[in-house]
Amino acid sequence: ETGVTQSPTHLIKTRGQQVTLRCSSQSGHNTVSWYQQALGQGPQFIFQYYREEENGRGNFPPRFSGLQFPNYSSELNVNALELDDSALYLCASSLEAGWGTGELFFGEGSRLTVL
Amino acid sequence: GNSVTQMEGPVTLSEEAFLTINCTYTATGYPSLFWYVQYPGEGLQLLLKATKADDKGSNKGFEATYRKETTSFHLEKGSVQVSDSAVYFCALSEGSGNTGKLIFGQGTTLQVKP
Repeated sequence: ETGVTQSPTHLIKTRGQQVTLRCSSQSGHNTVSWYQQALGQGPQFIFQYYREEENGRGNFPPRFSGLQFPNYSSELNVNALELDDSALYLCASSLEAGWGTGELFFGEGSRLTVL
Repeated sequence: GNSVTQMEGPVTLSEEAFLTINCTYTATGYPSLFWYVQYPGEGLQLLLKATKADDKGSNKGFEATYRKETTSFHLEKGSVQVSDSAVYFCALSEGSGNTGKLIFGQGTTLQVKP
């Protein structure tokens, strides 16, 4: 069984640009969550997608948006990049039965640097 | 709002030493509590969990007990190994039926020296 994979692993953007990060869920998982992890901090919940619909959102502005595809893979899009968006972006997949149990399976993340 | 506070690191221990990493939480309702671990170059992995008061989670020699009276979930291991060197995150979720949102502490780096 394949784990959660994310791409790209590293990228550099300039302020004002847009970025798309991609995630392939663990086989059989239908739920994807995205987290932002700033340097030296714990991950912060951005949003979750279940069956291609947003199913909960953290305290992030609308310029953070996402998609989930029929094969349960997902994208995170960030528009109008700001310097503070520099962080490690983590994707986690799960089954809906895992909601509330904390059994999320994380990828290694995409490290975004905004200059 | 809900929050998790962990002891600051880094924590440096010699092999076979006893480990405690403190974690306290603030939450309404009855959260589930977790420890996640991030080994170098890898994604976060669930280490252990407890879903109600007085439950003890355990895995790979690590243990943590859900203490509602002290709102704590301290991680312990009796004898650490070099391979335990990693970043440890305490986290809570707000119970079943939620969106799978986890609230994490800031992480504690553990370095074990031979």
